[in-house]
Amino acid sequence: EIVLTQSPGTLSLSPGERATLSCRASQSASSSYLAWYQHKPGQAPRLLIYGTSTRATGIPDRFSGSGSGTDFTLTISRLEPEDFAVYYCQQYDSSSLFTFGPGTKVDIK
Amino acid sequence: EVQLVESGGGLVKPGGSLRLSCAASGFTFSDAYMNWVRQAPGKGLEWVARIKSKGAGGTTDYAAPVKGRFTISRDDSTTTLYLQINSLKTEDTAIYYCVWEGPEGTFHFWGQGTLVDVSS
Repeated sequence: EIVLTQSPGTLSLSPGERATLSCRASQSASSSYLAWYQHKPGQAPRLLIYGTSTRATGIPDRFSGSGSGTDFTLTISRLEPEDFAVYYCQQYDSSSLFTFGPGTKVDIK
Repeated sequence: EVQLVESGGGLVKPGGSLRLSCAASGFTFSDAYMNWVRQAPGKGLEWVARIKSKGAGGTTDYAAPVKGRFTISRDDSTTTLYLQINSLKTEDTAIYYCVWEGPEGTFHFWGQGTLVDVSS
C-alpha cells in the first residue's frame, strides 16, 4: 500500500507570495494517477490537478503541478485571498485504490 | 449542471445503522463510477467505497476500516447512489461525501456532504 506524506503541515504566507507544497509517496507512484484537491471549511473539496500536472476545468493557471516517482509538488505562483485552504494530494493504484495525503493547510501570515 | 445531493445523515448510537443517499443529476449517471469519501472531525479525507458502472461490471470496493460493515449500491433508474452503514462505531463519525469519479482515478465532482454522528 502506498502511503502519502505531505509537507509542511501548515504553510503561513501572505497574499501575493508563492506557495510550494510537497507530497511524497512511500513507493513509486504513477504520475498518471496523482491528483491535488483544495478544501475550504464548509465546502466540498475541489479537484485542482490530475495526472500530476494537468489543471482541471476552470482552475486558474497560477496553480501548477509537477513531479514523478515518489516526489510531487503543487505550486501556487501568487496566492490570492481565496487560495487559503487545505490542500490534499491523492493517488490511485490498482491494489490499494485511493489514498489521500494528510493535507497541507495554507493560512494567512 | 452537475449536482450531487447527499441525505440520510444524522445522530445514531454505536452499533446502529444508517442509509445514506446521493441524488445525482447533470451527467450520465449510469456510465459513472461513483464513490463515497469521508472526513472525520479535524481529520483529512478518507476514501470509503466505490461502485463501478453496470457496464463495467458494477463491482464494488471498500476501504479496509469499513469492509464488511458498509455496502455501496446504486439505482440507475433513479440516478441515486446509496451507502448502507451497519455496526456503526464512534470512529465512523464524519462528513460523508458522494463523489463522481473521473479519469485517472480522480475525484472529479463532489457533493456537499452529509454528517454522520455516532455517539451514545
